[in-house]
Amino acid sequence: GAVVSQHPSRVICKSGTSVKIECRSLDFQATTMFWYRQFPKQSLMLMATSNEGSKATYEQGVEKDKFLINHASLTLSTLTVTSAHPEDSSFYICSAREEAASSPLHFGNGTRLTVT
Amino acid sequence: DAKTTQPTSMDCAEGRAANLPCNHSTISGNEYVYWYRQIHSQGPQYIIHGLKNNETNEMASLIITEDRKSSTLILPHATLRDTAVYYCIVRASGSARQLTFGSGTQLTVLP
Repeated sequence: GAVVSQHPSRVICKSGTSVKIECRSLDFQATTMFWYRQFPKQSLMLMATSNEGSKATYEQGVEKDKFLINHASLTLSTLTVTSAHPEDSSFYICSAREEAASSPLHFGNGTRLTVT
Repeated sequence: DAKTTQPTSMDCAEGRAANLPCNHSTISGNEYVYWYRQIHSQGPQYIIHGLKNNETNEMASLIITEDRKSSTLILPHATLRDTAVYYCIVRASGSARQLTFGSGTQLTVLP
């Protein structure tokens, strides 16, 4: 079945630094990928929609200059958390789907970001 | 996308069938019912989806009522590894559509 790979699975960084998270569709092409964030004991919240070859679409309240998204190819989207702060500590999850209309979204295994 | 309602939590004995209900009374004709689960500290895992007919795969069965206003996910022989939060999501088809997650049902499989 379709596989989405996310890297790294866990990262610890200092306040003020930037962190890049990669999301790859391993056996299918994805023109659209989605980035979610999940705080402890809460459900997943959509942050942005990543579109191959064009600008990402951000959900209300998500700062596009802080969460940079690049979707440079049909199999890779990256999320960069810039100038990270402790409140950015969270579980970040990407997803992608094959192009058939009813195909399910497949999710990466998430990245646990801890900002100290 | 239509809103879904699920019980907050359920318990199931190991080896027994787990039946997880979901109400989606405002579902539209072109909206599919998707089920995902999330084991602690992992990304959501796709289980099954359907439009009108009942569906079965190696993981589970999905029973959709004739009026499509509710559905039930059935795990035929629950194991301890099935303990997870189960999400029922309704979504129209289309490549640009994301999934909106509700609170889900915390299923605990008991030994």
